[in-house]
Amino acid sequence: QKEVEQDPGPLSVPEGAIVSLNCTYSNSAFQYFMWYRQYSRKGPELLMYTYSSGNKEDGRFTAQVDKSSKYISLFIRDSQPSDSATYLCAMISTEGGSEKLVFGKGTKLTVNP
Amino acid sequence: DTEVTQTPKHLVMGMTNKKSLKCEQHMGHRAMYWYKQKAKKPPELMFVYSYEKLSINESVPSRFSPECPNSSLLNLHLHALQPEDSALYLCASSQVTAQPQHFGDGTRLSIL
Repeated sequence: QKEVEQDPGPLSVPEGAIVSLNCTYSNSAFQYFMWYRQYSRKGPELLMYTYSSGNKEDGRFTAQVDKSSKYISLFIRDSQPSDSATYLCAMISTEGGSEKLVFGKGTKLTVNP
Repeated sequence: DTEVTQTPKHLVMGMTNKKSLKCEQHMGHRAMYWYKQKAKKPPELMFVYSYEKLSINESVPSRFSPECPNSSLLNLHLHALQPEDSALYLCASSQVTAQPQHFGDGTRLSIL
């Protein structure tokens, strides 16, 4: 089992839809949970991060972490064509005294006007 | 615009050339990273610098040589690269290690 699993999609939705992106993980030592957005030919942009279980909201974006189920989600409300990008979940652990950042494979999202 | 600036944006080089990639951040971050990203794949960690000292080298071939001249700058020196080294090279920084990282837009490298 991979440490972080993310459905690569692709995911295609109409403008205005609610988008749900998800990752599961197997390592209980993960501490930080992040979502990155990567547009074509650009670097990953840190969208949201959280340290604890629960929800964190920023505008149209909500990040949700459930440590008991080892499951994280990113919800996008009122999706816009400009949200079309690849979304990567990422997690950090410091197991064994050294930092480890693990990315999911990324989900390619297209929002159609 | 990102707060991590990488130059050049594009680089084409032959297998015998020597070139350098540059990265700069002015966020006061003390951890800096180099990643390699192939198409449709997530970034792969190459090197980690913590307080200007190399702390992680992920078994990267010696044709890649990192350098951290000061807390704001990170270089990646390239020599005798192979065609399979063609990729997007990303620099990232974080306040300290094991914190969320901020990425630059990368240098797209093509090896002829």
